[in-house]
Amino acid sequence: AQKITQTQPGMFVQEKEAVTLDCTYDTSDQSYGLFWYKQPSSGEMIFLIYQGSYDEQNATEGRYSLNFQKARKSANLVISASQLGDSAMYFCAMREKGAAGNKLTFGGGTRVLVKP
Amino acid sequence: NAGVTQTPKFQVLKTGQSMTLQCAQDMNHEYMSWYRQDPGMGLRLIHYSVGAGITDQGEVPNGYNVSRSTTEDFPLRLLSAAPSQTSVYFCASTLTGYGMNTEAFFGQGTRLTVV
Repeated sequence: AQKITQTQPGMFVQEKEAVTLDCTYDTSDQSYGLFWYKQPSSGEMIFLIYQGSYDEQNATEGRYSLNFQKARKSANLVISASQLGDSAMYFCAMREKGAAGNKLTFGGGTRVLVKP
Repeated sequence: NAGVTQTPKFQVLKTGQSMTLQCAQDMNHEYMSWYRQDPGMGLRLIHYSVGAGITDQGEVPNGYNVSRSTTEDFPLRLLSAAPSQTSVYFCASTLTGYGMNTEAFFGQGTRLTVV
């Protein structure tokens, strides 16, 4: 089974609107971390936001927030007030405790295109 | 303030050739890893290292070798390039020992084409 699933290969969003990117995960660990990365067309990987499995509140970083529903094993990224510069690939990733230490497992990504 | 430096940025190889992708970090991170990125598949772990002298296989290790003689450097070797190794390669490093929330820092990526 896929550890990280991003079901939306691509989506359009109107500038200044909010967009939600879906991410579901599969783990039997109690302690894990969830990350979102942005990859613009230039190719670099940019860290956006982190949510720990024991965090009681949803993470927020500026216009980014994470809708964490632990029982559903989902960690959706919400981008508010979209900007043209938000056009990029977005990856959800999970870190689990274990022998591999800091191994990150990535989803397949969602491409977002912001329309003016 | 270099972070993670990968070279080269682009490379074209002929089938059967070998090469080394270089990765260096100046943040004194213990954990380093190599990923490959293919369309629709996200990033998949090739090899990783939890410290100098220690390496282990990830999800897709076949056809690749790594070594970690220093904390700073983690080169990835393609032994005999195949078209299936055409991909974008990323090196990443992470500071360990500080909990689950330490982010991975990525290099700029290497776009490799095997013809």
